[in-house]
Amino acid sequence: DAGVIQSPRHEVTEMGQEVTLRCKPISGHNSLFWYRQTMMRGLELLIYFNNNVPIDDSGMPEDRFSAKMPNASFSTLKIQPSEPRDSAVYFCASSLMDRYNEQFFGPGTRLTVL
Amino acid sequence: SQKIEQNSEALNIQEGKTATLTCNYTNYSPAYLQWYRQDPGRGPVFLLLIRENEKEKRKERLKVTFDTTLKQSLFHITASQPADSATYLCAANTGTASKLTFGTGTRLQVTL
Repeated sequence: DAGVIQSPRHEVTEMGQEVTLRCKPISGHNSLFWYRQTMMRGLELLIYFNNNVPIDDSGMPEDRFSAKMPNASFSTLKIQPSEPRDSAVYFCASSLMDRYNEQFFGPGTRLTVL
Repeated sequence: SQKIEQNSEALNIQEGKTATLTCNYTNYSPAYLQWYRQDPGRGPVFLLLIRENEKEKRKERLKVTFDTTLKQSLFHITASQPADSATYLCAANTGTASKLTFGTGTRLQVTL
């Protein structure tokens, strides 16, 4: 099993540019989560999907952030326009939709906005 | 507001000793807690889950306790090894079933 796949692994962009992060969950998993991790705030949940439907997006910091899950094997997190304070590591995780199930994390995308 | 708190200071212990990490939660009662390990440059990896009706859970050299009176979970690594050096994250379910809130993690350093 390949695990959760994220791309790109590193992204450096300039303020104002659009950034798209991609995630492929583990096959058969029906819950998908997007997190952001910084030294100051730790690991924060941005949004999660069950069966491709967004369930809770209360962690999305502002309208510049959007996420989609067009099918069970692909999700994107888009930031437009990007700002320096968006610099962080963004993780995607997937799990089976059961309250006790562990989450499997991808390797993360390190985003730097100059 | 709901909070998960872990000691932000690094824990340094000698090889062979037992490492004990603390996770405290406030303003709610989670149905379960999970513990994850995170190595530099990698995503968190699940270690153990403990439910609110369980006092203790073990897996090899790992042990987790859940005290709903103290609102606290303790994570123990016995016979610690340098390979156990990592950041350990506590997570608790909040709100809907699938949603987890993570603590900021405690970095463990095991020295020879």
